[in-house]
Amino acid sequence: IAGITQAPTSQILAAGRRMTLRCTQDMRHNAMYWYRQDLGLGLRLIHYSNTAGTTGKGEVPDGYSVSRANTDDFPLTLASAVPSQTSVYFCASSDKSSTGSSYNEQFFGPGTRLTVL
Amino acid sequence: QQPVQSPQAVILREGEDAVINCSSSKALYSVHWYRQKHGEAPVFLMILLKGGEQKGHDKISASFNEKKQQSSLYLTASQLSYSGTYFCGTEPSTGNQFYFGTGTSLTVIP
Repeated sequence: IAGITQAPTSQILAAGRRMTLRCTQDMRHNAMYWYRQDLGLGLRLIHYSNTAGTTGKGEVPDGYSVSRANTDDFPLTLASAVPSQTSVYFCASSDKSSTGSSYNEQFFGPGTRLTVL
Repeated sequence: QQPVQSPQAVILREGEDAVINCSSSKALYSVHWYRQKHGEAPVFLMILLKGGEQKGHDKISASFNEKKQQSSLYLTASQLSYSGTYFCGTEPSTGNQFYFGTGTSLTVIP
């Protein structure tokens, strides 16, 4: 693995189903993030994790949950998918220590295109 | 909370210059700039921190007016490879949040 990976690449899901989007990084970054990107709205932060074992809510957390059991993995779970969760989901990571910003240079994964019918 | 970007779209000929602006209603700790090409992930260009520190790639320049909560990205002598959508991202001084703007579509034509 080189960088940050996401799985699946794309998924079509029936409304009401549970879905977990996977994200793994091998850069030993302490911070990780989940965004959703919708046309005309840009990227919006769903959840973040500043270090393993901690998570926080972003701008649009409702309907989503995350966990950060270790440094490398940051899965995003939709407990009961709804059509409004149709979007492209990006995972990102950063090394918080290299600047004073909580959101340092973010490295993005390739994205997961999710369609909820 | 979402920063406002302007213009929404711009078309340039190779070699021309462009400025993209980003404005926030909140006091900011940092401003970030990313470029995203169609069907790809966003790629980091620059971070500007309160107090004047900057970190970014060569050939990219930007400014950050802390008092006005505004930032501008300067693209000079544009190349075809500059085409894409540019997003500013803002980190407010409080709250541990991050907000991307809605993007500026930049097209460079020969």
